[in-house]
Amino acid sequence: DAGVIQSPRHEVTEMGQEVTLRCKPISGHNSLFWYRQTMMRGLELLIYFNNNVPIDDSGMPEDRFSAKMPNASFSTLKIQPSEPRDSAVYFCASSGQGGDTEAFFGQGTRLTVV
Amino acid sequence: GENVEQHPSTLSVQEGDSAVIKCTYSDSASNYFPWYKQELGKGPQLIIDIRSNVGEKKDQRIAVTLNKTAKHFSLHITETQPEDSAVYFCAAQGTSYGKLTFGQGTILTVHP
Repeated sequence: DAGVIQSPRHEVTEMGQEVTLRCKPISGHNSLFWYRQTMMRGLELLIYFNNNVPIDDSGMPEDRFSAKMPNASFSTLKIQPSEPRDSAVYFCASSGQGGDTEAFFGQGTRLTVV
Repeated sequence: GENVEQHPSTLSVQEGDSAVIKCTYSDSASNYFPWYKQELGKGPQLIIDIRSNVGEKKDQRIAVTLNKTAKHFSLHITETQPEDSAVYFCAAQGTSYGKLTFGQGTILTVHP
């Protein structure tokens, strides 16, 4: 398996524009997580899905952020409109059935909003 | 919710020395404690984990200890090498669908 695949790797956009980040989890994994990493706040969990259903979105900073998982092999994180403070590295991770199983991370998307 | 504190934030050692990173957690229901290593430009990668029914686990130069009573766990790296230089994160997982709460990370630098 190629691991968790994220696209794009880098995104530079202007303030106010819509940004969509994409993630393909490892085949067979049923939990998917979106994290945001910044120097100030470290790794923050934004939202996670189990069997394509959002379980906890309490980490989503505000209504400008939304996430979907239309099927077991694809998820998106959308920011609309984007702001400079959204600049960060966004990671997607997936894990297998149940708890206490390894979460595998993608390479991340570095987002810069200017 | 779960809160994980990690110390130190930076750690500098000479090659061959040992390195220890410590974490505490708040939720007594947490039962899985992984450690991740993150290299520049990459996503975090699991290096070792421990479950609540085990007090210590070792894998070559890396070991992790867990004290559930005190709610703390530690990462020990022996005979450090320059390639161990990276950011290390501890995490704690409760009972819900694999949700991990991460510590703030430790920047480890191993000097040749």
